[in-house]
Amino acid sequence: QVQLQESGPGLVKPSQTLSLTCTVSGGSISSSSYYWSWIRQPAGKGLEWIGRIYSSGNTNYNPSLKSRVTISVDTSKNQFSLRLSSVTAADTAVYYCARGHYSDSGGYVFDYWGQGTLVTVSS
Amino acid sequence: DIQMTQSPSSVSASVGDRVIITCRASQGISSWLAWYQQKPGKAPKFLIYAASSLQSGVPSRFSGSGSGTDFTLTISSLQPEDFATYSCQQADSLPLTFGGGTTVEIK
Repeated sequence: QVQLQESGPGLVKPSQTLSLTCTVSGGSISSSSYYWSWIRQPAGKGLEWIGRIYSSGNTNYNPSLKSRVTISVDTSKNQFSLRLSSVTAADTAVYYCARGHYSDSGGYVFDYWGQGTLVTVSS
Repeated sequence: DIQMTQSPSSVSASVGDRVIITCRASQGISSWLAWYQQKPGKAPKFLIYAASSLQSGVPSRFSGSGSGTDFTLTISSLQPEDFATYSCQQADSLPLTFGGGTTVEIK
C-alpha cells in the first residue's frame, strides 16, 4: 500500500519561503508510470493544484504560482519537495502531496494522497 | 484554465437517503473527470475516474455519470461513513483544477 507523508514547518513568516517534503513509502518514486504533485486547500475553499514532478525531474506548475514555486525530487530518499517563495497570508492552507498517473481512459488523476499538513503564514 | 463548479456546496441528508452532487466544467472535457472524498484530518480518497468508473474497493453505492460539461456523483443509499466532502477534478488538461467541494452533512 503506497503511503505519502508531508513534513515541514507549520508556521512561516510573510515574505519567507515555505518548504515541505513528501516521503513516499510502499512504492518507488522512480517509477516512470507516475507523477508526484503538490495540492493545497485554504480553509473553506476548494483544492488547488500547485504542480507536479516526474522522477526524471520534468516539472509542470500552475501558472498562477509558477513564478514562486519549485518542486524537486530526491529518488535516493524516495522523497519530493515543495518550495514556495515570497509567501503571504493568502498561502495559508493545508498542503497535500499526492501520486498521480495518466491513462488514456481516465486522464490525469491522483490515486494516493498524504493526509495533509497545515501551513500558516503569519508574523 | 478550466473552471469546475459544484453544486450544492452542502447537503443535509439522512442514512439511507439518495444524494446527488453535480459538477460542471467551463468547457468540454469529454469523460475526463474524477471524484474524491475528503474527511477531516484524513488523506483524500480517490473514488471515480473517467466520469463513471469506480476505483478498486469503492462501494457500488457510489456511481458517476456525465460527459462534456455536466457530471454527477450519486450515492444511492447514504451510509454513516459517507458523511464527508466530495470534490470533482477535471483530468483533461493542465493546470488540473478542482471543484469547490460539496459537504454531505448529517440531517
